[in-house]
Amino acid sequence: DVVMTQSPLSLPVTLGQPASVSCRSSQSLVRSDGGTYLSWFQQRPGQSPRRLIDKVSNRDSGVPDRFSGSGSGTDFTLKISRVEAEDVGIYYCMQYALWPHTFGQGTKLEIK
Amino acid sequence: EVQLVESGGGLVQPGGSLRLSCAASGFTFSDHWMSWIRQAPGRGLEWVAHINQHGSDKYYVDSVKGRFTISRDNTKNSLSLEMNSLRVEDTAVYYCTGSTLHWGQGTLVTVSS
Repeated sequence: DVVMTQSPLSLPVTLGQPASVSCRSSQSLVRSDGGTYLSWFQQRPGQSPRRLIDKVSNRDSGVPDRFSGSGSGTDFTLKISRVEAEDVGIYYCMQYALWPHTFGQGTKLEIK
Repeated sequence: EVQLVESGGGLVQPGGSLRLSCAASGFTFSDHWMSWIRQAPGRGLEWVAHINQHGSDKYYVDSVKGRFTISRDNTKNSLSLEMNSLRVEDTAVYYCTGSTLHWGQGTLVTVSS
């Protein structure tokens, strides 16, 4: 199975400051069609997960533009340009290039 | 409005069975591959099962292979997960997702004696 490793696991951030989450996969997430199948999800306390980013860098509809995704191959990053109070929660990366689809352990973002 | 509504969760003894259902509305169900993803109490997300748009391709995480069966009915916009030989470690909130873009609120399955 593809192992997804996130860092840090805990991310205390001051309001208005940037934040960054790293996600590394144990195998390349590039499929034969040339696409890279890596998504990012946000799970606010007590809520269902919500997808933020698909295929590395494509922001989903309604997701604020302060969220951005980047990376290639096995190394990916989620960035929040200026953290707001509503961003508190756990962030997960997920690969769906190979079976079984696998998630990272999650990164808990909190406000300092 | 997009909605995925799961049902069928509950308390079951080890070795027992449950059938989860997911009713979809507000989007073109047949355009989406569907998955069940679970979250054990206080833990992270675990993908459980996948079915393609036509229902012809199905994949499962190793820990549920041979015990769980995913199915869909595109005429009724519904997704199901038949769970047999349940184990304590299957205890989790089970989410129905459409291409991981659309998520339900989840249904809790508790396996305990």
